[in-house]
Amino acid sequence: DGGITQSPKYLFRKEGQNVTLSCEQNLNHDAMYWYRQDPGQGLRLIYYSQIVNDFQKGDIAEGYSVSREKKESFPLTVTSAQKNPTAFYLCASSIGTTGNTIYFGEGSWLTVV
Amino acid sequence: AQKITQTQPGMFVQEKEAVTLDCTYDTSDPSYGLFWYKQPSSGEMIFLIYQGSYDQQNATEGRYSLNFQKARKSANLVISASQLGDSAMYFCAMREDNAGNNRKLIWGLGTSLAVNP
Repeated sequence: DGGITQSPKYLFRKEGQNVTLSCEQNLNHDAMYWYRQDPGQGLRLIYYSQIVNDFQKGDIAEGYSVSREKKESFPLTVTSAQKNPTAFYLCASSIGTTGNTIYFGEGSWLTVV
Repeated sequence: AQKITQTQPGMFVQEKEAVTLDCTYDTSDPSYGLFWYKQPSSGEMIFLIYQGSYDQQNATEGRYSLNFQKARKSANLVISASQLGDSAMYFCAMREDNAGNNRKLIWGLGTSLAVNP
């Protein structure tokens, strides 16, 4: 089945550690996105990528890094510089940034302990 | 200023009844798209329905329809014949096509819908 797979579903991190969230899609979509969601809030864009080897900062990129070495994959690293990383992270993709619909993965819960 | 406003933090509806979830938006871009997503407790964000600003007719997808009132800048979601599985958070989002900012989605804060048996 086509879709977007995020892993892990739940992740615990100690303060000061970097963690990487995986996002893989087999929809042949060019554009991929990372969003952050805090309780009771809408989604905020962290990074997006329109094409392989290219990515752009979103609204809250500080403390995060991404790579786009393959069309199917867009991993997000939450670095120790991110002051408040505990949140729900959603990966998404679309045919292009001109596409009508953005499809989401099931999300990853990150908790800093 | 909020570009997407969902004024109902929570809504209740009886099973099999219809419910309307409100969404108003603010944009000066003549070309834009409006989206509704459903987020159940599992966390996945599920696409429901899309309305383009130039679409002449209201969008419909099964039990979902979008009541698009362009002059009022309103894009309410109507769910007919509610089911218990409709209990979830519902988000309204907008994409401005000429914003020059990768045409990202702008999100509302959501409405929590509870369907009572």
